[in-house]
Amino acid sequence: GAVVSQHPSWVICKSGTSVKIECRSLDFQATTMFWYRQFPKQSLMLMATSNEGSKATYEQGVEKDKFLINHASLTLSTLTVTSAHPEDSSFYICSAAQPRSYEQYFGPGTRLTVT
Amino acid sequence: GDSVTQMEGPVTLSEEAFLTINCTYTATGYPSLFWYVQYPGEGLQLLLKATKADDKGSNKGFEATYRKETTSFHLEKGSVQVSDSAVYFCALTVIQGAQKLVFGQGTRLTINP
Repeated sequence: GAVVSQHPSWVICKSGTSVKIECRSLDFQATTMFWYRQFPKQSLMLMATSNEGSKATYEQGVEKDKFLINHASLTLSTLTVTSAHPEDSSFYICSAAQPRSYEQYFGPGTRLTVT
Repeated sequence: GDSVTQMEGPVTLSEEAFLTINCTYTATGYPSLFWYVQYPGEGLQLLLKATKADDKGSNKGFEATYRKETTSFHLEKGSVQVSDSAVYFCALTVIQGAQKLVFGQGTRLTINP
C-alpha cells in the first residue's frame, strides 16, 4: 500500500515555457503533500508543503509565483514551473502523508530539463 | 534550526563487509528519525525509523538505534550485498506541528562483488 505516482517521469522543455508535474496518491487520501527538489549528488530540498483545499506554504527562498502548487483533491497535487529556465533543470520529487501521520511516501520523481 | 549531518560519501565496500553510515542531528523538539534509501533511477523508500530514544529500527538486515545522549542514528548492516548499492539519506521530523522532513546530504554506497 501507500503508493505515490508522478507524471511525467521526465520532461524536456524550451526556455520560457511552463511545465506541469502531477503527483498522485494511488491508494490513500493525502491531506498533505510535499514538493522537493534534488540537485545531482545532493540532498532533497523541501520547496513547499501543500494541504488539500488551501494555499501551499513555501520554504524560504522558493519563488511562489514561479513554482505554482495546487492541491485540489485528496489524491492529487500539481507543481507548475512557469517560464522555465535552464537553472530550473532538476529532479523534482513529491511525497504524500496520510492524516495524523508523520510518515511520508515518495513518488519516483520527475526529471526536468530546460533547454 | 533542525539539521541532519551524515558522513561524507561515497562509500565503497566489498560484498559481505560490515557497513556503518554515521548520522547525527540537532533538533529543537523531540524528533522521529528515519533512514531512506534511493536506488538508481527510483524514488526514496523508507528503510527504517525510530520514534523515541533507545528505539531500534530494523529492516532488510539494516539497523539503527536512536541515541538521544549522542544525538545520533547511525545505520549499520553486518554483511552488505551488491543489491544494497544506493544512496542513503538520514532524516528527521519533529512530531509537533508540521510533518516536514529534514534530510541529511545523502551517502552514496557502492558494493563491489
